[in-house]
Amino acid sequence: KAGVTQTPRYLIKTRGQQVTLSCSPISGHRSVSWYQQTPGQGLQFLFEYFSETQRNKGNFPGRFSGRQFSNSRSEMNVSTLELGDSALYLCASSSQRQETQYFGPGTRLLVL
Amino acid sequence: GIQVEQSPPDLILQEGANSTLRCNFSDSVNNLQWFHQNPWGQLINLFYIPSGTKQNGRLSATTVATERYSLLYISSSQTTDSGVYFCAVVARGSNSGYALNFGKGTSLLVTP
Repeated sequence: KAGVTQTPRYLIKTRGQQVTLSCSPISGHRSVSWYQQTPGQGLQFLFEYFSETQRNKGNFPGRFSGRQFSNSRSEMNVSTLELGDSALYLCASSSQRQETQYFGPGTRLLVL
Repeated sequence: GIQVEQSPPDLILQEGANSTLRCNFSDSVNNLQWFHQNPWGQLINLFYIPSGTKQNGRLSATTVATERYSLLYISSSQTTDSGVYFCAVVARGSNSGYALNFGKGTSLLVTP
């Protein structure tokens, strides 16, 4: 079974721009979660989608948004990019609540 | 929210040595996972272990839920074990579904 895939793998943007990241979960997984990893704050939960509905949201500003499609693929969008948004963005999928999450390779975003 | 503390923060071992990594959490959990992050940023799931003991090759893990800690054992370490090990939990009774709370990690370097 193919693992979680994320595109693009690397991205360079400038302040004020917006960016869209994509995540394809493992086949059959309906839950997709997003995390941000920075050296200062570590790994932080952004949001989780299940069957096209956002179930949970972390403590991030409204500039961070996401959605999930009927095939469980998910996108996250960051608008009006700030320097502090430079991070590794990780996507994870799982088949049911309270079980193992499987992570993708991540998207490294650099904001200049 | 639930607090997750990992120790030690850094660890240097010679190849062949054994080690124990600890994860303390501040509240009851119904999801606990151990991950290994390789130098390329990929988070690899090692164990889903909200309670009890599991073993997988040279790795084993034990979670004592009543005392709110988990241990990850690495035996006969190899240079490929280098990386950062994370413990992540979801608090019991939490309505935050799949929102994993990560510790700050243990950075392990195994030297030849």
